Amino acid sequence: GAVVSQHPSWVICKSGTSVKIECRSLDFQATTMFWYRQFPKQSLMLMATSNEGSKATYEQGVEKDKFLINHASLTLSTLTVTSAHPEDSSFYICSARAGREQFFGPGTRLTVL
Amino acid sequence: GQQLNQSPQSMFIQEGEDVSMNCTSSSIFNTWLWYKQDPGEGPVLLIALYKAGELTSNGRLTAQFGITRKDSFLNISASIPSDVGIYFCAGRENTGTASKLTFGTGTRLQVTL
Repeated sequence: GAVVSQHPSWVICKSGTSVKIECRSLDFQATTMFWYRQFPKQSLMLMATSNEGSKATYEQGVEKDKFLINHASLTLSTLTVTSAHPEDSSFYICSARAGREQFFGPGTRLTVL
Repeated sequence: GQQLNQSPQSMFIQEGEDVSMNCTSSSIFNTWLWYKQDPGEGPVLLIALYKAGELTSNGRLTAQFGITRKDSFLNISASIPSDVGIYFCAGRENTGTASKLTFGTGTRLQVTL
């Protein structure tokens, strides 16, 4: 299957700082990427849909000014968690479609102290 | 956000046993995908289904797209210890490139020797 990478795999930051997470499709181009958040022992919840060259579409309840998404190329989308707080600590996973299938990155564990 | 009903929530089985789990939705889906997630990692695509009634196998795994298009099941035959993990179903209502996946609540599988 297609490969999606994420960087970093984990990050610890202080409250109030911003953190950027990168998502890359390694062997295919993705006009659309998706960002999910997963809390312990829960399912994946879609945060936003990232569209190359245009604004992201956010799910209800997700603050677009807090979770900045930039999809600057067909292989790269970034998620920036601005002014992070402890409640933002979670597992963030990106995903990209290759044809009809959808592949996920390995996830980024964010811990905000 | 919307989630699919997935059952059972967890299973504790012995090595060699067969496993069955299912997913139901109130909406009609055009695509059903089954994923396995290991701790601290992103979901890995196991099987993709695109047509009502479709039955697809991947090694010891078999999945079916329900005739009503509102359900799907996954069977694992002759389970082995490495089958341990969380299995998620996911459905997509339409085929557009930006169409979203809705995830099931997950089935946690534990296998004993």
